[in-house]
Amino acid sequence: ETGVTQSPTHLIKTRGQQVTLRCSSQSGHNTVSWYQQALGQGPQFIFQYYREEENGRGNFPPRFSGLQFPNYSSELNVNALELDDSALYLCASRGGAGEHEQYFGPGTRLTVT
Amino acid sequence: GEDVEQSLFLSVREGDSSVINCTYTDSSSTYLYWYKQEPGAGLQLLTYIFSNMDMKQDQRLTVLLNKKDKHLSLRIADTQTGDSAIYFCAEGSGGNQGGKLIFGQGTELSVKP
Repeated sequence: ETGVTQSPTHLIKTRGQQVTLRCSSQSGHNTVSWYQQALGQGPQFIFQYYREEENGRGNFPPRFSGLQFPNYSSELNVNALELDDSALYLCASRGGAGEHEQYFGPGTRLTVT
Repeated sequence: GEDVEQSLFLSVREGDSSVINCTYTDSSSTYLYWYKQEPGAGLQLLTYIFSNMDMKQDQRLTVLLNKKDKHLSLRIADTQTGDSAIYFCAEGSGGNQGGKLIFGQGTELSVKP
């Protein structure tokens, strides 16, 4: 039990739609990262938020965006969904710059049809 | 560029030791991690090692790091059927960008009774 929760567990969307995925971090963890894990692959870093600002981004287009809130919750938004966006989306939290243990939530399985 | 590679499959007998290997390319990596993922679940942090260490032992787990060859291994002693899962190694730079981890493709460990 990592203390990181995500919702929903599963989601089915149609190509072109928009989706919002949610994550609740451990209390006191002010850094949250989002990852995309395609079937049979390792997780790919999307971006990181620290104290409600994005401070690192992987190789993902701008239609992937995020928000982090003061209550340790965060969102991943994906616009104009494409079939290749079908994946497990994982959020991970850690305590801050001096903390190196990163804890993952159970993920949201997104299917785009 | 940043890259992490792992062999895809490993099969062992219950009670034997398992050794999962990983190579990475980023010489600036500060922390190296091992995560476990069971079917349909998120990632569980097993252990990590700081790049100035050669070895770390944690109960049945032993991590060996050869920084010169950029080679990391995870040894699981007395492997049990419950250890069957996919194991990911990951590298990270720590600090403010510590949320960005680069993962390998994962090694599927199968433990036969």
